[in-house]
Amino acid sequence: KQEVTQIPAALSVPEGENLVLNCSFTDSAIYNLQWFRQDPGKGLTSLLLIQSSQREQTSGRLNASLDKSSGRSTLYIAASQPGDSATYLCAVRVESNYQLIWGAGTKLIIKP
Amino acid sequence: DVKVTQSSRYLVKRTGEKVFLECVQDMDHENMFWYRQDPGLGLRLIYFSYDVKMKEKGDIPEGYSVSREKKERFSLILESASTNQTSMYLCASSLTGTGGFQPQHFGDGTRLSIL
Repeated sequence: KQEVTQIPAALSVPEGENLVLNCSFTDSAIYNLQWFRQDPGKGLTSLLLIQSSQREQTSGRLNASLDKSSGRSTLYIAASQPGDSATYLCAVRVESNYQLIWGAGTKLIIKP
Repeated sequence: DVKVTQSSRYLVKRTGEKVFLECVQDMDHENMFWYRQDPGLGLRLIYFSYDVKMKEKGDIPEGYSVSREKKERFSLILESASTNQTSMYLCASSLTGTGGFQPQHFGDGTRLSIL
């Protein structure tokens, strides 16, 4: 059974730092992996989606990588800003299945 | 841009009441989803619908039902609300494009409290 883990559960860093959020999954037979952002009391916003055949995706200051063989994805945030403070979730789609398997998220706080 | 609208941001109901949560999307998506989100547990799928009047159970369907009479609207029903159904409820929709299911787009959520 696919399980998705995000460590750490919370992270606090000073503004301007580059940082990495981690997502690991137990079964490498995935269709794609998606990173989301959730602001307090709000829904989810899709940030990046990586297909299983891809190694990375970039959007602005965000870069997501995928290593299927090791069951890991990382979300790299460059030059962090207080506005990046949010909870970041990763979700894996298992091949040939509509379901997303979710991590519990990493709560990120960027200190001014 | 895709717009997924949930009818209420906050809702307070009493134990035993029948509760309706409504979700509307404006992008003609085939697929719609209801999740609940609880601290430390992440998102858990309650029900999924891939077409009008079609539904599939997710991981935690007990105590819930759904209705999809029109393509744009997906309703979650708590038949007899209980305190353990106090949670954040999130609705999402997606297309089924080439290559399978496309990314899900989420509403802002409904924070439901059952007293």
